[in-house]
Amino acid sequence: DIQMTQSPSSLSASVGDRVTITCRASQGIRNDLGWYQQKPEKAPKRLIYGASSLQSGVPSRFSGSGSGTEFTLTISSLQPEDFATYYCLQYNSYPLTFGGGTKVEIK
Amino acid sequence: QVQLQESGPGLVKPSQTLSLTCTVSGGSISSGTYYWTWIRQYPGKGLEWIGCIFYSGITYFNPSLKSRVSISVDTSKNHFSLRLTSLTAADTAVYYCARYVTGYSADEGFDIWGRGTLVTVSS
Repeated sequence: DIQMTQSPSSLSASVGDRVTITCRASQGIRNDLGWYQQKPEKAPKRLIYGASSLQSGVPSRFSGSGSGTEFTLTISSLQPEDFATYYCLQYNSYPLTFGGGTKVEIK
Repeated sequence: QVQLQESGPGLVKPSQTLSLTCTVSGGSISSGTYYWTWIRQYPGKGLEWIGCIFYSGITYFNPSLKSRVSISVDTSKNHFSLRLTSLTAADTAVYYCARYVTGYSADEGFDIWGRGTLVTVSS
């Protein structure tokens, strides 16, 4: 199985801050990676697919980059509605696997 | 607008079998563009892919569950179902169904999720 290691597991930030979350794959996955946002008691919502393509309807302050084994999700200016948990997902090979999550909290 | 809705029991006894159904509305489950998927989320928040099915019946499963899991599809009812046997407390989780866009499309991945259903395994 491909292991997805996300860091940090949690972070505290203020509105307006630039936030970066990293996901590392245990082997190369090309750009077969997505990023998801989950709020309490809700299903995950896709933000990014193909490592860097923005899902329709998602604000442009979210961006993704990377290829191979290292990927990042960046929020350029954190907004109040962005406080949530973020997960990466690799879909390069079965079984599909998720990162452990990064909880973004208010400082 | 396509929507997915999970249904099934919220409480199951240890050693019993869990059966969940995901009903697809607003679109056809017989589209060749999607795999229909089950995912679960443990109380500690980790997400685990369980498996998926194509409308033709082709399935893929997580090896960690392969001996206990089956997924079926009923195109006439526009739904697909999960069956998980020999339950233990470790199977307690929120179970989601989701639509997976296949690699034939540029936007591969889980694009639509159900709201999820909590399944507790307890006597």
